[in-house]
Amino acid sequence: GENVEQHPSTLSVQEGDSAVIKCTYSDSASNYFPWYKQELGKRPQLIIDIRSNVGEKKDQRIAVTLNKTAKHFSLHITETQPEDSAVYFCATIKNYGQNFVFGPGTRLSALP
Amino acid sequence: DAGVTQSPTHLIKTRGQQVTLRCSPKSGHDTVSWYQQALGQGPQFIFQYYEEEERQRGNFPDRFSGHQFPNYSSELNVNALLLGDSALYLCASSQRTGTGGSGYTFGSGTRLTVV
Repeated sequence: GENVEQHPSTLSVQEGDSAVIKCTYSDSASNYFPWYKQELGKRPQLIIDIRSNVGEKKDQRIAVTLNKTAKHFSLHITETQPEDSAVYFCATIKNYGQNFVFGPGTRLSALP
Repeated sequence: DAGVTQSPTHLIKTRGQQVTLRCSPKSGHDTVSWYQQALGQGPQFIFQYYEEEERQRGNFPDRFSGHQFPNYSSELNVNALLLGDSALYLCASSQRTGTGGSGYTFGSGTRLTVV
């Protein structure tokens, strides 16, 4: 089955700096790659996603890049702010109706 | 438009007891998936229900069972609770015929503590 690895497990950055979180996956059939942000005690919230036919997607300060050949995708946050502090999870899915496989998460601390 | 609703929000049970968690999907969604999120870990897939049948199952023992009702709502049942069952249980709903993955919506979860 699919295996998703995520690095780093913790990340501390100064406010205003950039943060990058990387995920690798094993199943080449995976074709949808979302990123979720989870604040303490709350539900995972989708922040950005990318499909396998796209290499990069950007939404304001957040971007995701996908390298299907190498089977990895990354979350990029620019101009990090304290409210970006949370746990971030990557996930993959093969086909609609299948289940997500999540990475173990990255705890991001954006220090003021 | 209500999103995914889960109840209860918190629950404390004793080892060996049984528990039932409930989920109402987002309006227009017909598929419900359940995930277990242990502290400090990513969500792990338990099972998925569509058309009142279990369609997929993750690596969870038979103590975990579920049900989907004609109105698409769902229940997760756990028998013979173990301390290791303590976790946040997340329900996610989606539309079967939608495009892959993007319609997935999570509920706020039920925090189960087994003592």
